[in-house]
Amino acid sequence: AQSVAQPEDQVNVAEGNPLTVKCTYSVSGNPYLFWYVQYPNRGLQFLLKYITGDNLVKGSYGFEAEFNKSQTSFHLKKPSALVSDSALYFCAVRDAGTASKLTFGTGTRLQVTL
Amino acid sequence: DGGITQSPKYLFRKEGQNVTLSCEQNLNHDAMYWYRQDPGQGLRLIYYSQIVNDFQKGDIAEGYSVSREKKESFPLTVTSAQKNPTAFYLCASSIGAAISYEQYFGPGTRLTVT
Repeated sequence: AQSVAQPEDQVNVAEGNPLTVKCTYSVSGNPYLFWYVQYPNRGLQFLLKYITGDNLVKGSYGFEAEFNKSQTSFHLKKPSALVSDSALYFCAVRDAGTASKLTFGTGTRLQVTL
Repeated sequence: DGGITQSPKYLFRKEGQNVTLSCEQNLNHDAMYWYRQDPGQGLRLIYYSQIVNDFQKGDIAEGYSVSREKKESFPLTVTSAQKNPTAFYLCASSIGAAISYEQYFGPGTRLTVT
């Protein structure tokens, strides 16, 4: 069965500093990976996805993510954090081998302070 | 959240009553999904529909029912059989059910049952 782990419940970073939100996955086939962001009492917004090709994926709002097959990771990154980036971030995976449903991690709360 | 509307934003019901949550999309998407979000648990799939007049159970379908009579509409009924109905419910859609397509989410409905 496929699964996603987001090992940090919360990440704290100062504005202007780089941020990383971690995600590791487990699938039997090739992974299709997604990052979403959720602001309070709102739906999820799509940030970026990895399907195939370049391991560094660029997405919305200056975010990017690096796919690492050997470490089965897909960490979300941004070079310079903004206070407005504070939100709940979800990593999700689909297994290309089984064409299975999208499985979400439990989420990581990002807090960016001045 | 553009293109997907969910109503109402907040819903209160007494235990033992059925309640229907609305989800409408104007994105011309074929696939639609219902998720439930509980604190610390990420999103769990309730039902999904790949095409009009067809739908499948997700991971936690017990106590829920859906219909897909129109492409743009995918209402969810929370029945009295659902043991813990209080949650944040999210509707999503995607162009199709293919594995590479990202899902777009509505703003959610927060259901409270007392």
